[in-house]
Amino acid sequence: SQQGEEDPQALSIQEGENATMNCSYKTSINNLQWYRQNSGRGLVHLILIRSNEREKHSGRLRVTLDTSKKSSSLLITASRAADTASYFCATGDQAGTALIFGKGTTLSVSS
Amino acid sequence: GAVVSQHPSRVICKSGTSVKIECRSLDFQATTMFWYRQFPKQSLMLMATSNEGSKATYEQGVEKDKFLINHASLTLSTLTVTSAHPEDSSFYICSAFIPGLAGGDTDTQYFGPGTRLTVL
Repeated sequence: SQQGEEDPQALSIQEGENATMNCSYKTSINNLQWYRQNSGRGLVHLILIRSNEREKHSGRLRVTLDTSKKSSSLLITASRAADTASYFCATGDQAGTALIFGKGTTLSVSS
Repeated sequence: GAVVSQHPSRVICKSGTSVKIECRSLDFQATTMFWYRQFPKQSLMLMATSNEGSKATYEQGVEKDKFLINHASLTLSTLTVTSAHPEDSSFYICSAFIPGLAGGDTDTQYFGPGTRLTVL
């Protein structure tokens, strides 16, 4: 079963703009992870945030987590055409268990 | 570099045949691997958890007799789609954790590149 929803389902922006994607989930979690998938390809791990963390940065990525609202956001700053991909959040309820994926956001960045 | 590999990357078969997909952990031992399925323009759905030396655990709605999983070694799990039909056409992806990853996060799940199955 899928854990929750991603919002928006699709996002189109210009290069240089920021892209924000949101993810909501339903149950308690141990961690939340964000992945990127280029069309027809495998998944690339972007960032992991634990349930006791509120914000995490990695390069141009910023992830927030609000466990009281059961939601997370992924911000990509200064987007590039190469950021065009689908982005998925995935939750783990315990360390070392399978992930439950959201429906994903398709990001298109035009130059 | 890739830490989880899959083979083949793409397979086309006739309806009624069986297809085996391999998932290998590179340079580490994975006691647990996971198999996911992704239909076009959809998200990943967990199919089963593959445990080395024991039976796989299947998610509700996944037929264990149709999707045979074997995890005979600490670096290899195989998924066999038996008597494949066109509705089994999908992108199959495996994943594994890297236990005790030095400098890394043991909760990070690493995914293979996926296998695209097309059943004619």
